[in-house]
Amino acid sequence: GAGVSQTPSNKVTEKGKYVELRCDPISGHTALYWYRQSLGQGPEFLIYFQGTGAADDSGLPNDRFFAVRPEGSVSTLKIQRTERGDSAVYLCASSLVGGRDTQYFGPGTRLTVL
Amino acid sequence: AQKVTQAQTEISVVEKEDVTLDCVYETRDTTYYLFWYKQPPSGELVFLIRRNSFDEQNEISGRYSWNFQKSTSSFNFTITASQVVDSAVYFCALSLSGNTPLVFGKGTRLSVIA
Repeated sequence: GAGVSQTPSNKVTEKGKYVELRCDPISGHTALYWYRQSLGQGPEFLIYFQGTGAADDSGLPNDRFFAVRPEGSVSTLKIQRTERGDSAVYLCASSLVGGRDTQYFGPGTRLTVL
Repeated sequence: AQKVTQAQTEISVVEKEDVTLDCVYETRDTTYYLFWYKQPPSGELVFLIRRNSFDEQNEISGRYSWNFQKSTSSFNFTITASQVVDSAVYFCALSLSGNTPLVFGKGTRLSVIA
């Protein structure tokens, strides 16, 4: 079956601009996670959805970052007033149930802020 | 707080050699889950294995094997008879029971030379 998909695969933007990153999870997966991976580092947690609601957003670095999942499937990560330090690969993962279930990852979106 | 340490930043081996990737974890919880993921040059994280804290039985899957030892808080990964296609960054990760995200180590970059 289809895996987790993310669009766009690459996004280049200018400092101060607004960007949206999209994640389409595996069909039937109720849990969805966003992570951020900087060069040479492991992925770091940003936010977790169980269904439509954000169950844990403790990893969001500041209020410029926001994510939604209005229908419990596709999720959008939104970054306002982008900064050069936001440049990273943004990874999305989904699982059948949160926490103890295996998370399957998408290919990521590489964001570059000039 | 949970922590995962992968002390080996980079490892280089010659094809057909065996190689072990180390993973040490920290958690005060008695119920937790350990994972290994592979990240090839394409960038997508590929799930390899999941173990829960109550199952210390070692596992073998083809050329891959995993050694879980609670006494030393380690979950090491061995590749037997390595191949060039094994070249990738390997991540060890931990999650707790319930709705919690993965905590990743910094990864070990494995290079297998023909």
